[in-house]
Amino acid sequence: AQSVTQLGSHVSVSEGALVLLRCNYSSSVPPYLFWYVQYPNQGLQLLLKYTTGATLVKGINGFEAEFKKSETSFHLTKPSAHMSDAAEYFCAVSDRDTNAGKSTFGDGTTLTVKP
Amino acid sequence: GAGVSQTPSNKVTEKGKYVELRCDPISGHTALYWYRQSLGQGPEFLIYFQGTGAADDSGLPNDRFFAVRPEGSVSTLKIQRTERGDSAVYLCASSPAGGYQETQYFGPGTRLLVL
Repeated sequence: AQSVTQLGSHVSVSEGALVLLRCNYSSSVPPYLFWYVQYPNQGLQLLLKYTTGATLVKGINGFEAEFKKSETSFHLTKPSAHMSDAAEYFCAVSDRDTNAGKSTFGDGTTLTVKP
Repeated sequence: GAGVSQTPSNKVTEKGKYVELRCDPISGHTALYWYRQSLGQGPEFLIYFQGTGAADDSGLPNDRFFAVRPEGSVSTLKIQRTERGDSAVYLCASSPAGGYQETQYFGPGTRLLVL
């Protein structure tokens, strides 16, 4: 069975500082990996995803993530935080060895950006 | 184009009642997913439709939960004899064909409160 662990349910950074949100997964086969963002009272929006190929993936709003198979990690980063980045972030995996499309999510990390 | 829509946005019911939650996917998307998100947790997979048929219902917690998609577009999640523990946000997502590498597009959710 797959699982996703997001270390740190709350992360607080100052505006302009580096954002680092951690995600580790367990899967029997190399998975597909996703990061979603959820703003208050809105649906989840895809930030970026890793399927195959280049392990450094660039997404929307200046975010990127790197798939590290040896560390079973897919941490999300952004060089400089903006106030509008304050939201909840979810890491998810979709195992190519199971039924199509079924995603397993982490419990989320709430990002606070201080002025 | 229009995104995934869900109705109602909020539903308050009493323990033991029956509720129906509706999802309108993006037009042309053959794959449809239901997830449940409890407070402080990430979305939890419930059921996946490919067209009219449920391809994977392994996430439904018990036989009080049932979902249909009779014409391959709109889906209804039905909960019988609701319990307080069913209180959560129910999310619907759709994707073009259902592949595990595909982006899932989420609706804003239905917030269910069982009193």
